[in-house]
Amino acid sequence: QKEVEQDPGPLSVPEGAIVSLNCTYSNSAFQYFMWYRQYSRKGPELLMYTYSSGNKEDGRFTAQVDKSSKYISLFIRDSQPSDSATYLCAMSALGGAGSYQLTFGKGTKLSVIP
Amino acid sequence: DTAVSQTPKYLVTQMGNDKSIKCEQNLGHDTMYWYKQDSKKFLKIMFSYNNKELIINETVPNRFSPKSPDKAHLNLHINSLELGDSAVYFCASSLRDRASYEQYFGPGTRLTVT
Repeated sequence: QKEVEQDPGPLSVPEGAIVSLNCTYSNSAFQYFMWYRQYSRKGPELLMYTYSSGNKEDGRFTAQVDKSSKYISLFIRDSQPSDSATYLCAMSALGGAGSYQLTFGKGTKLSVIP
Repeated sequence: DTAVSQTPKYLVTQMGNDKSIKCEQNLGHDTMYWYKQDSKKFLKIMFSYNNKELIINETVPNRFSPKSPDKAHLNLHINSLELGDSAVYFCASSLRDRASYEQYFGPGTRLTVT
């Protein structure tokens, strides 16, 4: 079992839909939870990060963490064609060298159809 | 202004050759990273440098050697290239005390070994 599981999709939704993206994890040592957006042939771009269980909202994006279930989600409201990208979840834990290491999910490819 | 830049963007080379990828960041960060994204889209940490010192060295063949001439630069040299080295290599940077949740990625270098 991989440390971070993410459904690769692809996921296709009509413009204006609410999108739900999810990841599960097995490592209880993960402390920070992030969502990155990666457009085709570009580098990942940090969207949001959270530390504790609960919700965090930023515009049309809401990140949700449930540490008891080891489950994180990203919700996108009023989705736009410009949201079409691959969304990567990432989690960090303190490594052996005393520094944090990020572990990424495989990414979910999202297409928002006009 | 590009925050994290990499050169070259594309690199096509033959097996057995030696090649280098350069990375520069102008964010004033003190920590830089190399990640590898394979054909299955998994993004995995290879190396991490803080103030020119190696702090993370994941299980990577010793054909890969990072070099950090100063805090703003982290280069990756690869000897005796193999077919399995074909991937997209991303440089990233952060402040060390934000490394757990705020890393900024470059655009990637797409390496193809033939």
